[in-house]
Amino acid sequence: DTAVSQTPKYLVTQMGNDKSIKCEQNLGHDTMYWYKQDSKKFLKIMFSYNNKELIINETVPNRFSPKSPDKAHLNLHINSLELGDSAVYFCASSPRTDSYEQYFGPGTRLTVT
Amino acid sequence: GDSVTQMEGPVTLSEEAFLTINCTYTATGYPSLFWYVQYPGEGLQLLLKATKADDKGSNKGFEATYRKETTSFHLEKGSVQVSDSAVYFCALRPSGSARQLTFGSGTQLTVLP
Repeated sequence: DTAVSQTPKYLVTQMGNDKSIKCEQNLGHDTMYWYKQDSKKFLKIMFSYNNKELIINETVPNRFSPKSPDKAHLNLHINSLELGDSAVYFCASSPRTDSYEQYFGPGTRLTVT
Repeated sequence: GDSVTQMEGPVTLSEEAFLTINCTYTATGYPSLFWYVQYPGEGLQLLLKATKADDKGSNKGFEATYRKETTSFHLEKGSVQVSDSAVYFCALRPSGSARQLTFGSGTQLTVLP
């Protein structure tokens, strides 16, 4: 009965490849997020969706494309992977856009070689 | 823009020692303030929050007081345990709706038995 789940947990791939990370929440929340955590633990928001609609799109390369097939899922597709994309990617959700608490998934560690 | 500054880690303490992790912020208006904790291999979890000046957030023996005059939200615990070893993130959410969290850079805490 995991609240926010991500797959895969680890992803190792070569430069130039295309990969996807999936996220699902079973909390009934309206809002979902993708964050990137670099090697120094710095956490930065990438995207936010509310009821399947994009509401936050930070300055992220357009190689990153989020997709929300329904409000319980927010997937992240990355084209033409680069070494600098290596990081831990966290999915999160919250009841609404103005909710105080966000619930985080366990993270996906992406390593680009 | 809004920003959060945390004391640099890592912080290493002996069990039952007193903990302080400093956090200061820059924001307009009256943001809400948070401490999140990330245990090894897991996603972030909300530890405590304060939504207005002079509020004290507390949870699991941790406390932090929202100080508007010093723009600070320092995290304290009187007696740490080995199980408190984690990365601690200070964060703010600007006043108004539909605004995303801004995180500090995180402080690694290691508690030795």
